[in-house]
Amino acid sequence: NAGVMQNPRHLVRRRGQEARLRCSPMKGHSHVYWYRQLPEEGLKFMVYLQKENIIDESGMPKERFSAEFPKEGPSILRIQQVVRGDSAAYFCASSPRIRADRGEQYFGPGTRLTVT
Amino acid sequence: DAKTTQPNSMESNEEEPVHLPCNHSTISGTDYIHWYRQLPSQGPEYVIHGLTSNVNNRMASLAIAEDRKSSTLILHRATLRDAAVYYCILRDSQGGSEKLVFGKGTKLTVNP
Repeated sequence: NAGVMQNPRHLVRRRGQEARLRCSPMKGHSHVYWYRQLPEEGLKFMVYLQKENIIDESGMPKERFSAEFPKEGPSILRIQQVVRGDSAAYFCASSPRIRADRGEQYFGPGTRLTVT
Repeated sequence: DAKTTQPNSMESNEEEPVHLPCNHSTISGTDYIHWYRQLPSQGPEYVIHGLTSNVNNRMASLAIAEDRKSSTLILHRATLRDAAVYYCILRDSQGGSEKLVFGKGTKLTVNP
């Protein structure tokens, strides 16, 4: 059973370009979460999605960032007009369903975005 | 989400037990205690979770104080591969968000 897959693993963009980060959850998982880790900082929640729905986007910057999890295909985190401050590691996690004890989230290896 | 407090760093020797403490004095009755760890240059990895009783799995043990205001993650025989940042996270089973709220965690160094 393959784990959470993210691609690309490394992404270099010039200021002003767009970055698209992809996340394929574990098989059978319908809940996807995106987190960001800035250099020398902790992980911060960005957004939580279920198929075709954004459930919680309280951690998403108001501008330039968007996320989707279509009925078919991977979840996409899109950053428009990237700036140097967007340079970070972006992690995706998935879980199978909501449980009373919340259960565990399974993380991917991350995409390391560098903005030059 | 209720707050947790962990030491910034700890050191251990290989093949010795490690006890990683976590204080959560404002824990509510419906909060589960979760532990994750993040190895260098990798995504976080689930370790263990519990509510009131001590828990064991193949990776670690979780000892929860009787008043639930603190807990301890126990690695029975540390290996070099256990060097990571360990995060103690409270998750409310009733309402609230599904998101994980990571603090600064404890950076564990394992000496050969």
